[in-house]
Amino acid sequence: DSGVTQTPKHLITATGQRVTLRCSPRSGDLSVYWYQQSLDQGLQFLIQYYNGEERAKGNILERFSAQQFPDLHSELNLSSLELGDSALYFCASSVVGRHQETQYFGPGTRLLVL
Amino acid sequence: AQTVTQSQPEMSVQEAETVTLSCTYDTSENNYYLFWYKQPPSRQMILVIRQEAYKQQNATENRFSVNFQKAAKSFSLKISDSQLGDTAMYFCAFIGTASKLTFGTGTRLQVTL
Repeated sequence: DSGVTQTPKHLITATGQRVTLRCSPRSGDLSVYWYQQSLDQGLQFLIQYYNGEERAKGNILERFSAQQFPDLHSELNLSSLELGDSALYFCASSVVGRHQETQYFGPGTRLLVL
Repeated sequence: AQTVTQSQPEMSVQEAETVTLSCTYDTSENNYYLFWYKQPPSRQMILVIRQEAYKQQNATENRFSVNFQKAAKSFSLKISDSQLGDTAMYFCAFIGTASKLTFGTGTRLQVTL
């Protein structure tokens, strides 16, 4: 158990809908990362937050947004969902978000868009 | 941009034997870190081992060790005394100053009796 929690574990929804994925980092970690794992794109970095502020952006679609709240939990919002958004979404956390830190991953949220 | 290449999509090893998974990467950075993550059927991403690029000594964690060749940009993982619980996808990953992990495509390892 990495100490990173993600809810829900599974999510099934329809095209065009909007969903929210939630992540709580390890105790003491200030930085949160979101990654997407899909069959065609592999594991891709989406976005990083540090202490409530966006720090880095990767291959995140405009239909997706994220935020980190004062209690340090983070939410990833996916809207206007398409079939291709079906994937495993991971949250990871590290202490202050420096590149020399190890990122610890949560169990992931499996999203299926029908 | 950094790239990570894992050229072995699948590998198989018998229990108690040793297996080596290959990884190469490309970067112009000098200060970076390399990781191997394991993803068992549960899909959880589990850190196996990490290597700092500035360290010449190869990292070791119990039955897992790496062969880090900085000049060749190679970072292979050796699993000794393979166990059934080692069956998983293994991902090589790179992180530079951008703080985002770049992953390879993975190697599926099957440990057999």
